[in-house]
Amino acid sequence: DGGITQSPKYLFRKEGQNVTLSCEQNLNHDAMYWYRQDPGQGLRLIYYSQIVNDFQKGDIAEGYSVSREKKESFPLTVTSAQKNPTAFYLCASSTLGQAANYGYTFGSGTRLTVV
Amino acid sequence: AQSVAQPEDQVNVAEGNPLTVKCTYSVSGNPYLFWYVQYPNRGLQFLLKYITGDNLVKGSYGFEAEFNKSQTSFHLKKPSALVSDSALYFCAVRDSGGYNKLIFGAGTRLAVHP
Repeated sequence: DGGITQSPKYLFRKEGQNVTLSCEQNLNHDAMYWYRQDPGQGLRLIYYSQIVNDFQKGDIAEGYSVSREKKESFPLTVTSAQKNPTAFYLCASSTLGQAANYGYTFGSGTRLTVV
Repeated sequence: AQSVAQPEDQVNVAEGNPLTVKCTYSVSGNPYLFWYVQYPNRGLQFLLKYITGDNLVKGSYGFEAEFNKSQTSFHLKKPSALVSDSALYFCAVRDSGGYNKLIFGAGTRLAVHP
């Protein structure tokens, strides 16, 4: 089945540590996105990418980094510069152009907790 | 600025009664509107969309939404609520600036009581 897979489901980070969240899709989608979800704040865009080796900052990119070396993969690194990283992180993908009218496909999310 | 507002943090409804979850939007140009549902510790699932055409859009699980251009609203509705409909619902609008970015509302928690 085609889909988008996020791993791990739960992740614990110590103060000062960098951690990487994985996102892989086999939908042949061109675009991929990372959102952060906090209670009562909805989804906020961190980074997005339309093509391999290119990505743009979203609304809350500070303290995060991404790469897009393959079409299928869009990992997110939460760096030590992110002062409040505890949140639920969602990865999504979509087609572009007219086909983009179908919206996003989301992964199941990664819950990151600072310990 | 483009935005989506969901004015209710929570909506409570009795099973079998009709439900409405409200959404208003602000976007330049024609709006592309979406509703998603999220169950605990899960990703978002697509319910329905409005791109063009009929103002009443039908989607998954018996949900429908009414697009009202003059009121800039896209309210989600269901004629008869089920306890299993209890979840977090998000309205979204496509950013007219391109890149197929979606702007999400803060979400509305729907609680359906037996």
